[in-house]
Amino acid sequence: EAQVTQNPRYLITVTGKKLTVTCSQNMNHEYMSWYRQDPGLGLRQIYYSMNVEVTDKGDVPEGYKVSRKEKRNFPLILESPSPNQTSLYFCASSLWRGNEKLFFGSGTQLSVL
Amino acid sequence: SQKIEQNSEALNIQEGKTATLTCNYTNYSPAYLQWYRQDPGRGPVFLLLIRENEKEKRKERLKVTFDTTLKQSLFHITASQPADSATYLCALVRNDMRFGAGTRLTVKP
Repeated sequence: EAQVTQNPRYLITVTGKKLTVTCSQNMNHEYMSWYRQDPGLGLRQIYYSMNVEVTDKGDVPEGYKVSRKEKRNFPLILESPSPNQTSLYFCASSLWRGNEKLFFGSGTQLSVL
Repeated sequence: SQKIEQNSEALNIQEGKTATLTCNYTNYSPAYLQWYRQDPGRGPVFLLLIRENEKEKRKERLKVTFDTTLKQSLFHITASQPADSATYLCALVRNDMRFGAGTRLTVKP
């Protein structure tokens, strides 16, 4: 089944404790992206990747890192999480940027205490 | 600055009626516009895409219009059902993709 898989589904952590949210897609998509979703603000892009070893900042990249060493994986790293990074995070992929549709993962609800 | 507004935060309608959701934008010239459905606790799911040179697109009970002069897209669900209850997001695409905050639709039996 074609899908984007994110883990974990829920995560509670404390300020400053490094964490990684994994994302994997099995559709051989070139483009992958991370979004955060906050009430009333909609989906905001954090980082995106057009292909392996190619990443770029989105609208809200501060406090986040990403890597794209393999085509299928695009982990999101929070080196020193802060409470304002409490949010619902989504990974998404598409065949190539500007393609007709994004495929989203099921989301990761992160709480930073 | 670019702005995308989706009518109200919430829309309640009776089963069988047509739901109409609005997506307005300013300071943006999208090449195309997409609509997604999002259920609670799930990721958005693509529904329809309409290009700037298209006026209308249909898929089963869904219809999307796109007026680049008014800078507006309308999303219609005809013969609505309780199963259509969800949040609907519009997304504008030019060199990047920008999402509206969504409208939560509730269809009451």
